[in-house]
Amino acid sequence: QVQLQQWGAGLLKPSETLSLTCAVYGGSFSGYYWSWIRQPPGKGLEWIGEINHSGSTNYNPSLKSRVTISVDTSKNQFSLKLSSVTAADTAVYYCARGSLGPYCSGGSCYSYYYYYYMDVWGKGTTVTVSS
Amino acid sequence: SSELTQDPAVSVALGQTVRITCQGDSLRSYYASWYQQKPGQAPVLVIYGKNNRPSGIPDRFSGSSSGNTASLTITGAQAEDEADYYCNSRDSSGNHLNVVFGGGTKLTVL
Repeated sequence: QVQLQQWGAGLLKPSETLSLTCAVYGGSFSGYYWSWIRQPPGKGLEWIGEINHSGSTNYNPSLKSRVTISVDTSKNQFSLKLSSVTAADTAVYYCARGSLGPYCSGGSCYSYYYYYYMDVWGKGTTVTVSS
Repeated sequence: SSELTQDPAVSVALGQTVRITCQGDSLRSYYASWYQQKPGQAPVLVIYGKNNRPSGIPDRFSGSSSGNTASLTITGAQAEDEADYYCNSRDSSGNHLNVVFGGGTKLTVL
């Protein structure tokens, strides 16, 4: 059974860089999209970005200028860096495994309809930004 | 458009059926996935694809889709189903690069 274990600093000062790492245990690293998601206190889920095993990344446009996601396939780990943090970055940060593909039925796959889901999540890391 | 819209709150009587909806243009190209989140816990995938349940998810959870609207139905809601529910897909504009979440629906079981 695949498990994600995440860790990183939980208390930062404004302008510092948030750094989190997520390790993948019990499953393949390739063939999936590895995401970071955050949830500010009392609010909904916000996707931060993702990386695949080859290092290709996609970022939320609203955070793109401050986000770097990297991968270390030798350790089955991926990492998040978010620079110049402010109090607005205070949140629980999750890592998750994503699967993406075309919808298939009866042996045929359709290029116009897709599925995407995140089936494995880390437990979350609370990050607080305060002076 | 990259937005997914959910009703902020829904309530259901114990044992009754409730439908939680999610609207967005990306749902014309993607099946929504649905997540249950209880306080202090990470989200848990409950429905993915056309109408698939991960192992361990009760069969009272089901999903459906029509046009730009996806629905999560709980048939015979239980007290333990009280939680926040989020829909999710990828943004179908451009090269499908971004992942989007709905704002979440708080389900209260009365």
